[in-house]
Amino acid sequence: GENVEQHPSTLSVQEGDSAVIKCTYSDSASNYFPWYKQELGKRPQLIIDIRSNVGEKKDQRIAVTLNKTAKHFSLHITETQPEDSAVYFCAASISNTGKLIFGQGTTLQVKP
Amino acid sequence: DTAVSQTPKYLVTQMGNDKSIKCEQNLGHDTMYWYKQDSKKFLKIMFSYNNKELIINETVPNRFSPKSPDKAHLNLHINSLELGDSAVYFCASSQGVNYGYTFGSGTRLTVV
Repeated sequence: GENVEQHPSTLSVQEGDSAVIKCTYSDSASNYFPWYKQELGKRPQLIIDIRSNVGEKKDQRIAVTLNKTAKHFSLHITETQPEDSAVYFCAASISNTGKLIFGQGTTLQVKP
Repeated sequence: DTAVSQTPKYLVTQMGNDKSIKCEQNLGHDTMYWYKQDSKKFLKIMFSYNNKELIINETVPNRFSPKSPDKAHLNLHINSLELGDSAVYFCASSQGVNYGYTFGSGTRLTVV
């Protein structure tokens, strides 16, 4: 079935450290993988995405890697800051439907 | 100028009532969605419309009925509200398959 597993569910790091969130997906036809950040009481916002023809993408302090063979993708945040504290969601597209299946979310806490 | 706007932001109502949530996007996107976010933050798709046509209808009770009068608007009507309907409902839009979503600010529905 359509499923995206996300780990860990909570992550606490010290300011300046790196944070890594991992996701696996089940639909081998998935070819689009966005990441969203949701601050408390706010809407999810797209922070970075990757398509299946690319193995890695970087935007300043955030990067995403994709391993299509293993059906696995990860979000890397370097030099974390307190304002990075939020819930992060990975998602995977389902075939060509436009539908995104979301992971369960990771609550990231960056301690100053 | 808000890209995806939802009204109302908060909705408190009694069991058995009927309520509607409205969504409008000014991004020129063809595809719009309704997602439900439960108390554990899990985001689950409910419906998707492409240019006013229903293309995704997940396993949602018949009490939920979406309506898209034009491609910029997608409304959600809920009949006979139940306690379990309490959640945050997000509208979103995208420019097509394999593109990220822009979410609305959400409607927090509380059924008492």
